[in-house]
Amino acid sequence: DQQVKQNSPSLSVQEGRISILNCDYTNSMFDYFLWYKKYPAEGPTFLISISSIKDKNEDGRFTVFLNKSAKHLSLHIVPSQPGDSAVYFCAAREYNNNDMRFGAGTRLTVKP
Amino acid sequence: NAGVMQNPRHLVRRRGQEARLRCSPMKGHSHVYWYRQLPEEGLKFMVYLQKENIIDESGMPKERFSAEFPKEGPSILRIQQVVRGDSAAYFCASSTDRGNQPQHFGDGTRLSIL
Repeated sequence: DQQVKQNSPSLSVQEGRISILNCDYTNSMFDYFLWYKKYPAEGPTFLISISSIKDKNEDGRFTVFLNKSAKHLSLHIVPSQPGDSAVYFCAAREYNNNDMRFGAGTRLTVKP
Repeated sequence: NAGVMQNPRHLVRRRGQEARLRCSPMKGHSHVYWYRQLPEEGLKFMVYLQKENIIDESGMPKERFSAEFPKEGPSILRIQQVVRGDSAAYFCASSTDRGNQPQHFGDGTRLSIL
């Protein structure tokens, strides 16, 4: 049961342009959403999060948008840098529930 | 090093042997979570523990897998009588509490079953 879906397994963008990574979910009880970045042979690194009471959260070059009615969130990276090349995982969980559900990941490649 | 520490980084076992994976949470964190990642898949929640207590093990296979987080020492994920399908990367994460706080991950243990 794939409650969190990242339908694009890969994305390639030019350095300096915007990267948009998408994530869809099916569980309407999810109220906290996170994005993690993962390099090969390393663990996921927390990037940014958003709670369901907001529709946008910004941290430097990273912005997460949440559309609750569409059950969709996206991560915008602007401007993209070669060091952003990694696999990005979307995750979601219900309030006070530790069963954090992950998407399958999107591999972002930023070309110099 | 204030991060989540996992060891070993790589573990090779033969079918039927036992695998023990260790995780020391970040300093100040009392909540530990274990996840498994199969090739080309996302992370799957396995178990959530606090000191000396299993809080949620809904993602753990019913047989051969167990986890503990003793009062002293690291959290241990134990897999008995390993099979080829247990080959995966096992990640541990820790957090401060159950509220809206992110979990911080270790670099994982890559388990290979011969």
